[in-house]
Amino acid sequence: DADVTQTPRNRITKTGKRIMLECSQTKGHDRMYWYRQDPGLGLRLIYYSFDVKDINKGEISDGYSVSRQAQAKFSLSLESAIPNQTALYFCATRGTGNYNEQFFGPGTRLTVL
Amino acid sequence: GEDVEQSLFLSVREGDSSVINCTYTDSSSTYLYWYKQEPGAGLQLLTYIFSNMDMKQDQRLTVLLNKKDKHLSLRIADTQTGDSAIYFCAEDSGYSTLTFGKGTMLLVSP
Repeated sequence: DADVTQTPRNRITKTGKRIMLECSQTKGHDRMYWYRQDPGLGLRLIYYSFDVKDINKGEISDGYSVSRQAQAKFSLSLESAIPNQTALYFCATRGTGNYNEQFFGPGTRLTVL
Repeated sequence: GEDVEQSLFLSVREGDSSVINCTYTDSSSTYLYWYKQEPGAGLQLLTYIFSNMDMKQDQRLTVLLNKKDKHLSLRIADTQTGDSAIYFCAEDSGYSTLTFGKGTMLLVSP
């Protein structure tokens, strides 16, 4: 089984709808991240969390919110989706070594019409 | 602010060497990284280098680091079609986060 899972894998929604993307991990890591990937723009950090009570904004947090329900679960919400939030979204966890090895989920492809 | 720059596309023939280049801006980065993204998948750490090293070799992969010029490169020897992917350079950006480049798409033709 995959260590970092994301649901749904694909989602098409309409402008103004509320959307939640979910991430679960079995690696036992404390640190979790949400990124979005756009063609030609690479990965940009939306939010990150070091534990259940520690949530931090990343480079592009506007229009998004997160919830760390448990050590293993980190959800990303779009309160009112807009078309420019169409992207590939990745959840990641960080390993415990001195270097920053991040383990990525398979991604959620979100389309906002 | 921090910025990581990479060329967007590289095309090579199978068996050739591939060299992907990256420039970064944060001279305080402790580690620098190369991640690989295969089609339809998330990123996976390929290799990394500690900032006090000039070179790191791991089988077909060679990482070169020039701290003076803030330049990082990844060389893949004997490139195979299975190496076709997007390669991301990344640097530590503090608080356990990473700053990624925009990614270099490597296309290996038979």
